[in-house]
Amino acid sequence: EVQLVESGGGLVQPGRSLKLSCAASGFTFSNYYMAWVRQAPKKGLEWVATISTSGSRTYYPDSVKGRFTISRDNAKSSLYLQMNSLKSEDTATYYCARHESGYGDWGQGVMVTVSS
Amino acid sequence: DVVMTQTPPSLSVAIGQSVSISCKSSQSLVYSDGKTYLHWLLQSPGRSPKRLIYQVSNLGSGVPDRFSGTGSQKDFTLKISRVEAEDLGVYYCAQTTHFPFTFGSGTKLEIK
Repeated sequence: EVQLVESGGGLVQPGRSLKLSCAASGFTFSNYYMAWVRQAPKKGLEWVATISTSGSRTYYPDSVKGRFTISRDNAKSSLYLQMNSLKSEDTATYYCARHESGYGDWGQGVMVTVSS
Repeated sequence: DVVMTQTPPSLSVAIGQSVSISCKSSQSLVYSDGKTYLHWLLQSPGRSPKRLIYQVSNLGSGVPDRFSGTGSQKDFTLKISRVEAEDLGVYYCAQTTHFPFTFGSGTKLEIK
């Protein structure tokens, strides 16, 4: 059974940093592109980042480019999202997702609140 | 960016009825490999999203065949036949053909 478990969320002040983690199990992690998708409170879904199987290629929307960094450790079957210069508009639930035929599997999500 | 327009924004249906949700993209979703990366997701209340259909018409693992997807190029439809109580939630279309990847704004399905 595929499992994706996010961690690392919490309350952070504007301008500060936070790093999210996603522990994967139940599949060969190194064979799949992975993604982060977020959902602001009572809002829709927004793609945040995608990383290739080796980690050599990363992709971001303009809203987070230059502030967020997606990375992975295939030996640990783990995905990460380093978030710097956080803004209030980054407040959301962040989901880790497996890029298997779209977004084939999702984690339970982790809440990030950016507020002073 | 590719804009995904979903309609209707909400609908209320009785158990056993059928319903269709439309998703239109601002540009063709056919990738250079000839495939169309348009997917449908359901987010049940309080839950993470779950993929229902991938690449327009392929049913995800464990998804009932009451769900079906059709369409091409820029115009896509999700159909739910014989709606059940567990189908309530917000349905999203999503494209992974063009960067940045984008989602529709969602269609909220309520059960009468």
